[in-house]
Amino acid sequence: GQNIDQPTEMTATEGAIVQINCTYQTSGFNGLFWYQQHAGEAPTFLSYNVLDGLEEKGRFSSFLSRSKGYSYLLLKELQMKDSASYLCAVRDSFNQAGTALIFGKGTTLSVSS
Amino acid sequence: GAVVSQHPSWVICKSGTSVKIECRSLDFQATTMFWYRQFPKQSLMLMATSNEGSKATYEQGVEKDKFLINHASLTLSTLTVTSAHPEDSSFYICSAEPTAVHSYEQYFGPGTRLTVT
Repeated sequence: GQNIDQPTEMTATEGAIVQINCTYQTSGFNGLFWYQQHAGEAPTFLSYNVLDGLEEKGRFSSFLSRSKGYSYLLLKELQMKDSASYLCAVRDSFNQAGTALIFGKGTTLSVSS
Repeated sequence: GAVVSQHPSWVICKSGTSVKIECRSLDFQATTMFWYRQFPKQSLMLMATSNEGSKATYEQGVEKDKFLINHASLTLSTLTVTSAHPEDSSFYICSAEPTAVHSYEQYFGPGTRLTVT
């Protein structure tokens, strides 16, 4: 079956670094995405990994290991505005719907001062 | 950047009535659009894939006669919730993939909050 696991909640303080892990088991794999979602709003794109390794984009980095079915999102120099839900999603190439994304339940990150 | 709009942003309707939600790609064409549903503190669940000029593909467990999808043009897909019930109350989000350029990214609309009373 399809399964994407990530922690439900995490807390951190301003200026700190936090790592949000994601493990997945899907019938196919054609890329892993991280999205940020504030309450009541649509997800916004953060990163995309399709090959193993680290992708860095400003304060955000994302890592992928396909052999381990594992990814993490690293947030540096945390700011209060980073308080949000972070969604891990996999594009399952064998999904009936083609290129649709399968989402994890999301990790709610709370950043305090 | 690519923008996807949804209308309405929120709607309240009575049980038994139908509600139509529009999803538009404003500055790009999208052969494929996706409809997701999200319950409070839950993940986004794919409901169906909308393809311009052909029938939508529904996920297992999603009633195609209840959730009618029409992809009338390369910039517009609509989702109609027919005979809505309180359990249909949810956050409905669409996303679109640009047709012209091979893009790995899906662009999400701002979502529509449906409340059925």
